[in-house]
Amino acid sequence: AQRVTQPEKLLSVFKGAPVELKCNYSYSGSPELFWYVQYSRQRLQLLLRHISRESIKGFTADLNKGETSFHLKKPFAQEEDSAMYYCALSGPNFGNEKLTFGTGTRLTIIP
Amino acid sequence: DTGVSQDPRHKITKRGQNVTFRCDPISEHNRLYWYRQTLGQGPEFLTYFQNEAQLEKSRLLSNRFSAERPKGSFSTLEIQRTEQGDSAMYLCASSLAGGGTEETQYFGPGTRLLVL
Repeated sequence: AQRVTQPEKLLSVFKGAPVELKCNYSYSGSPELFWYVQYSRQRLQLLLRHISRESIKGFTADLNKGETSFHLKKPFAQEEDSAMYYCALSGPNFGNEKLTFGTGTRLTIIP
Repeated sequence: DTGVSQDPRHKITKRGQNVTFRCDPISEHNRLYWYRQTLGQGPEFLTYFQNEAQLEKSRLLSNRFSAERPKGSFSTLEIQRTEQGDSAMYLCASSLAGGGTEETQYFGPGTRLLVL
């Protein structure tokens, strides 16, 4: 069965400090990994996907198949990064069907 | 087009009553997904449609739940004989698959259901 684990429910970081949100997954195959974000009073939206290898809003995430991880990182946190972050995966056809989400990490940036 | 819309945004009902939610996807999106989110959890997949065909249903979707997308546009999710355990946020998402670009699911604001 596919599963996504986000070990931290809450994470507080000072403005300007580095941020790392952890995500581990289990999946017997080659999944596609995503990070979704939900800002206060807004709907869930895609932040980035591993296949694009992009940096969005200063965030990057590298898929580590050996460690089955997809941690989200940003070198310098900003106050507007405060939000709920969900790691998700899809499979088995490498299409964007049936996302499996983790339980989420609430990130708070301390001014 | 203002994105995926859902109606109602909030619903309070008594146990045993039936409820129906509606989702209007982004125009031209051929896939439509339903998820359920309970407190402290991430969204959980319920079912999805490609055009009007319902292609997959989660085992979370008991026989009290039914979803339709009759004309391949809007979708409805009905819960019969609601139970307190059905209280959750019901999220709808839509996407354009097969367009030659990476598929992205766009989420609606959700319908929050409270069963008393």
